[in-house]
Amino acid sequence: GDSVTQMEGPVTLSEEAFLTINCTYTATGYPSLFWYVQYPGEGLQLLLKATKADDKGSNKGFEATYRKETTSFHLEKGSVQVSDSAVYFCALSPSGGYQKVTFGTGTKLQVIP
Amino acid sequence: ETGVTQTPRHLVMGMTNKKSLKCEQHLGHNAMYWYKQSAKKPLELMFVYSLEERVENNSVPSRFSPECPNSSHLFLHLHTLQPEDSALYLCASSQASSSYGEQYFGPGTRLTVT
Repeated sequence: GDSVTQMEGPVTLSEEAFLTINCTYTATGYPSLFWYVQYPGEGLQLLLKATKADDKGSNKGFEATYRKETTSFHLEKGSVQVSDSAVYFCALSPSGGYQKVTFGTGTKLQVIP
Repeated sequence: ETGVTQTPRHLVMGMTNKKSLKCEQHLGHNAMYWYKQSAKKPLELMFVYSLEERVENNSVPSRFSPECPNSSHLFLHLHTLQPEDSALYLCASSQASSSYGEQYFGPGTRLTVT
């Protein structure tokens, strides 16, 4: 079945540092790929998405590129802020019908001033 | 109201109580989901409703009973819960006909079973 593997956290960075959170996936066909973010005490929010190979999703300074050859969708940000502290989930969804989204286990990011 | 709303945000219940969680989506979607999020565990999909029909039930104990009266509302009825059922319960919605599958989540109900 489908699966998503993302790096274990927590990840602790100083403000303005470069962020990479690794995500690799296993799926048949051509799934859509997502990053969700969960701030403390809240639900998951869609951060960005990519729907086909070589697509780059971007939002709020975060980027991720759909790499089919390496089955990866790594999340990057050039300069993190304290307000980016949250848990980040990589996820995939097969195309068509209702979507059974497969989530990774989440990576907690803590940004210190 | 916009997006996906959930009530109550916090709930404490005894093991013999009966309570219900409510979810409402204001996005015009036609698929709705219940997830359970426990500390140190992956997000668990519990139920899926698509076009108001239950299409998935991931071996959830019968003490959890979902109801989807229309495409905008989803309930989770709870009875005789166990302490291990304490968790954050998240509702989500999506457009079933979409090719891309993104789901939109509510803020969750933090449930504590005493």
